[in-house]
Amino acid sequence: AQSVAQPEDQVNVAEGNPLTVKCTYSVSGNPYLFWYVQYPNRGLQFLLKYITGDNLVKGSYGFEAEFNKSQTSFHLKKPSALVSDSALYFCAVSLRSGNTPLVFGKGTRLSVIA
Amino acid sequence: GAVVSQHPSRVICKSGTSVKIECRSLDFQATTMFWYRQFPKQSLMLMATSNEGSKATYEQGVEKDKFLINHASLTLSTLTVTSAHPEDSSFYICSCLFGTQYFGPGTRLLVL
Repeated sequence: AQSVAQPEDQVNVAEGNPLTVKCTYSVSGNPYLFWYVQYPNRGLQFLLKYITGDNLVKGSYGFEAEFNKSQTSFHLKKPSALVSDSALYFCAVSLRSGNTPLVFGKGTRLSVIA
Repeated sequence: GAVVSQHPSRVICKSGTSVKIECRSLDFQATTMFWYRQFPKQSLMLMATSNEGSKATYEQGVEKDKFLINHASLTLSTLTVTSAHPEDSSFYICSCLFGTQYFGPGTRLLVL
């Protein structure tokens, strides 16, 4: 069975500093990995996905994520955080390219402090 | 990117009533739609997979007679919470499959 772990409930970072939101996964085959962001009382917005190819994936709003097969990780990163990045971030995995239901991590709340 | 809408965005109802939530893909057709439920400060949990023209597939523990799903067209799926109770209060989110999954803005249901 697939599973996703986001070990941090909360990440605090100062504006302008780099940020990392951690994600590790467990699947029986080749993973398809996703990051979504959720603002209060809103649905999920797609940030980026890894299907195959380059391990470093670039997405929306300056975010990127690095797929590390040996560590089964897919950490979300941004070189310089903005206050407007404060939100709830979800990592998700599926066994096919998103056309099966996603299994989500519990989410990590990011707070960027001015 | 692809746009998905949900209606209503929030609803308050009395215990025992039924509530219908609509999920529409606005600029694409979606053979498959998914319904998720999110409790406060928790992750999204899949409730069911909705395929156009066929019966929905429900996840274990989700009562199909309580959460009725109809996917009558390639752009519309509905979730009806029948005889709602306070424990059904939650945030319901749909997603539409179009290469990847695009999520609706969610519907917050409060049952009094």
